Amino acid sequence: EAQVTQNPRYLITVTGKKLTVTCSQNMNHEYMSWYRQDPGLGLRQIYYSMNVEVTDKGDVPEGYKVSRKEKRNFPLILESPSPNQTSLYFCASIRGGKNTEAFFGQGTRLTVV
Amino acid sequence: SQQGEEDPQALSIQEGENATMNCSYKTSINNLQWYRQNSGRGLVHLILIRSNEREKHSGRLRVTLDTSKKSSSLLITASRAADTASYFCATVPPGGYQKVTFGIGTKLQVIP
Repeated sequence: EAQVTQNPRYLITVTGKKLTVTCSQNMNHEYMSWYRQDPGLGLRQIYYSMNVEVTDKGDVPEGYKVSRKEKRNFPLILESPSPNQTSLYFCASIRGGKNTEAFFGQGTRLTVV
Repeated sequence: SQQGEEDPQALSIQEGENATMNCSYKTSINNLQWYRQNSGRGLVHLILIRSNEREKHSGRLRVTLDTSKKSSSLLITASRAADTASYFCATVPPGGYQKVTFGIGTKLQVIP
């Protein structure tokens, strides 16, 4: 079954404590992306990756890092989280070509206090 | 930057009625897609329409695309309570599959 697995689903942390949200896909897609979703702002792209070791900034990259050491994994790293990073985060794995489609993980609800 | 903007932002209808949601975008696209999100969960792909297509159907869904106006609409016919969700349009630029850009979404409530 095609899957994008994100962990954890819920996380409460304190300002400044480094954290990583993991994302893994089993579809052998080259493209992966991270989004944050905030009320009234929709989904905004944080970072994306076109293949192993190839990443680039999206629309709201400040305060985030990513890495793509293997095709299946695309973790999102918050080195020093701040309260304005409290949000709902989604990882997506994207099938390219004629029938582009984004497959989403279940989401990670992050609260930074 | 937000590429797609959905209209209306919220819509409430009775079961059995049709629901129409609109999406406007700003730059050239390779294709436009519609996704559905049930409360707080991941988005699920519904339908894709390419820039050279004008209309597409899938079950109770009908999507239109007007590239001259840079707009699209999603029609859900004979709505059901289970259609209650948020609906997002997403645009893919020419040659940029990784840059799937989403709008703000339309929150649809179907009242039984």
